[in-house]
Amino acid sequence: GQQVMQIPQYQHVQEGEDFTTYCNSSTTLSNIQWYKQRPGGHPVFLIQLVKSGEVKKQKRLTFQFGEAKKNSSLHITATQTTDVGTYFCAGPAGGTSYGKLTFGQGTILTVHP
Amino acid sequence: GAVVSQHPSWVICKSGTSVKIECRSLDFQATTMFWYRQFPKQSLMLMATSNEGSKATYEQGVEKDKFLINHASLTLSTLTVTSAHPEDSSFYICSARPGLAGSYEQYFGPGTRLTVT
Repeated sequence: GQQVMQIPQYQHVQEGEDFTTYCNSSTTLSNIQWYKQRPGGHPVFLIQLVKSGEVKKQKRLTFQFGEAKKNSSLHITATQTTDVGTYFCAGPAGGTSYGKLTFGQGTILTVHP
Repeated sequence: GAVVSQHPSWVICKSGTSVKIECRSLDFQATTMFWYRQFPKQSLMLMATSNEGSKATYEQGVEKDKFLINHASLTLSTLTVTSAHPEDSSFYICSARPGLAGSYEQYFGPGTRLTVT
């Protein structure tokens, strides 16, 4: 079945450093989404990428979708303590309707002040 | 917009009893709702997909007779954990999908932390 792999599993950075998490799918994706879950909270939708090679920015966050639509990345510039949390990528589960998603394992980001 | 509520936020119950969790989309109609289970520092494990007016579709390994799902309307889905046991203790999260064409994003409820004693 479809697998979505995400690395690294953990990332510790000093405040002000950059951070990147990578997502790879075993199959081509029609779109990819990114979610953020704060400690003790629930996942919050960040963005959806659809086009091959697409790049989208949200303030200090840059999202990329690979040319082959099988990988994606999230880059945070100059991290802040408010960036702490787990970042998940997710892609449509293959061959299904109803919008079921397959989530990556997530990258837990810790930011030291 | 796109707010999903979940009730209760936490519940403690005795082994053998049943617990019902409600998931509501507050400002949109959800064609589909999803129920997940999440263990500490782990990813989301999809339990079932729920569509209004039809039977839920359960993921492999999830007991449908133990985790009863009812999707009564386009804004409400419920998950009932029947005959709960300590191993059912977990964080249960629902999500709802507005179902707009070409849009797969899901909006999550705040979750329900279930502890079975």
